[in-house]
Amino acid sequence: AQTVTQSQPEMSVQEAETVTLSCTYDTSESDYYLFWYKQPPSRQMILVIRQEAYKQQNATENRFSVNFQKAAKSFSLKISDSQLGDAAMYFCAYTGGFKTIFGAGTRLFVKA
Amino acid sequence: DTGVSQNPRHKITKRGQNVTFRCDPISEHNRLYWYRQTLGQGPEFLTYFQNEAQLEKSRLLSDRFSAERPKGSFSTLEIQRTEQGDSAMYLCASSLLGGSSGNTIYFGEGSWLTVV
Repeated sequence: AQTVTQSQPEMSVQEAETVTLSCTYDTSESDYYLFWYKQPPSRQMILVIRQEAYKQQNATENRFSVNFQKAAKSFSLKISDSQLGDAAMYFCAYTGGFKTIFGAGTRLFVKA
Repeated sequence: DTGVSQNPRHKITKRGQNVTFRCDPISEHNRLYWYRQTLGQGPEFLTYFQNEAQLEKSRLLSDRFSAERPKGSFSTLEIQRTEQGDSAMYLCASSLLGGSSGNTIYFGEGSWLTVV
C-alpha cells in the first residue's frame, strides 16, 4: 500500500527567509503524481505545486519549488522569501490511479 | 468556474440524528471524492465516484455512511445515527480524468460536523 510520511510536525521560519518541508512516500508504481497542498486557518485546501513522476525536472511555482528524488522517494518543498501569508498546514500528497493519499501535515509558522 | 461547493458549512447535531452533506463539484469534472479530516490530521479517503458510479469505499466508511452521486453531478454524503466520533470536517473534492490537470484534485471548503 502507498504511504506518505511527513516527519516534521512543525516548522518555523523568519519572514523573507527560506524553509524546506520534507516528505517521503512509498509506492511500487512507476507512474504517479505528487502534490503539496496548503491549508490555512480558513481550512480550504489549496494546491501549491504538482510534480509528475515521469518528469525529471523539478516543478517550480513562483516562490515554491520542489526537490523530487524519485529513487529515494523523496519530495521536499522549498519556500523562498517566506511571507506571513505562508503560515499554514502543508500536506504532501501522492496520487497513483484515482486515489490521493495525504501525509499528516507540517504546520509552518512564519515569524515577523 | 465556481470551484467545488459544499453545504452546509457547519452542522451541529445531537447524537443519533441523521445528517446529510451536499457537494457540487467543478462542472466538467467527472471524478468526485469524499474525505474526512480531524484536527491535526491529514485528510482520510472515504469514497470515490467516477461519473455516477461509486467505485471505491474505504473501510472507514461504516454502514451508517452512504454516498450518492445521481446523474454524475452533485453528490450527497449521509450519516445515519450519528456518533460523537463522527465529529470531523468532511471534505469534497473533484478532478477531471484525462484532463491537462494531471489528476489534480480540487477541494471544497469542507463541512464541519459536530455531534453533541
